[in-house]
Amino acid sequence: SSVLIQPPSVSVAPGQTATMTCGGDDIGSKTVRWYQLRPGQAPVLVLYDDTARPSDIPERFSGFNSGATATLTIDRVEAEDEADYYCQVWNARDFVLFGGGTKLTVL
Amino acid sequence: QVQLVESGGDVVQPGESLRLSCEASGFTLSTRVMFWVRQTPTKGLTWVAVISSDGLDKYYSAFFRGRFSVSRDSSKNTLYLQMRSLRPTDTGVYLCARGEGDAPAAPWSYYMDVWGKGTTVTVSS
Repeated sequence: SSVLIQPPSVSVAPGQTATMTCGGDDIGSKTVRWYQLRPGQAPVLVLYDDTARPSDIPERFSGFNSGATATLTIDRVEAEDEADYYCQVWNARDFVLFGGGTKLTVL
Repeated sequence: QVQLVESGGDVVQPGESLRLSCEASGFTLSTRVMFWVRQTPTKGLTWVAVISSDGLDKYYSAFFRGRFSVSRDSSKNTLYLQMRSLRPTDTGVYLCARGEGDAPAAPWSYYMDVWGKGTTVTVSS
């Protein structure tokens, strides 16, 4: 299957940890990217190569990828982290695939 | 400052054509892999097309192949998306993004490190 499954929503209180998953057949063998989308703003790359952070992304953002699930974790969640988060992989058949996105709500 | 600015979105009728532009600043677009991605409230992000760094190879999502074409103008530092035979299901915000990676023969493998804010296309009768 070439479908990436993300839970539609995740809610977390400020200061707590948010965990967002991205499920797919053998996703652990693929390199996963995560993008943050806030309304009215350009999307932002928050993780690439499963765990790598661009220089302007806080250390609070981390990733893990193994088996059938990739995970984006945000520690010490802040109000500004409220956004939609999309995972993305590539393969030689479908080329570029995005998950359905998870809406992170900071309570 | 590295920036991408899309333009050209409009309200059109089914079957019509439209050309979107993505102007880059702060880097040379013609040396980079570039993507088009569509965003909708119901389907989220959908990859549309990618052009290789040398401009010779172009790849399209099956949803848009045959109707959409990607190109670029080095003199204007601008990427284009020509859209033909538009359908209501093509409605959405179209974003361009710069690719980063290390496999020139596989531009689709690049990640998208800089994005624009998008331009809105509405296809409706």
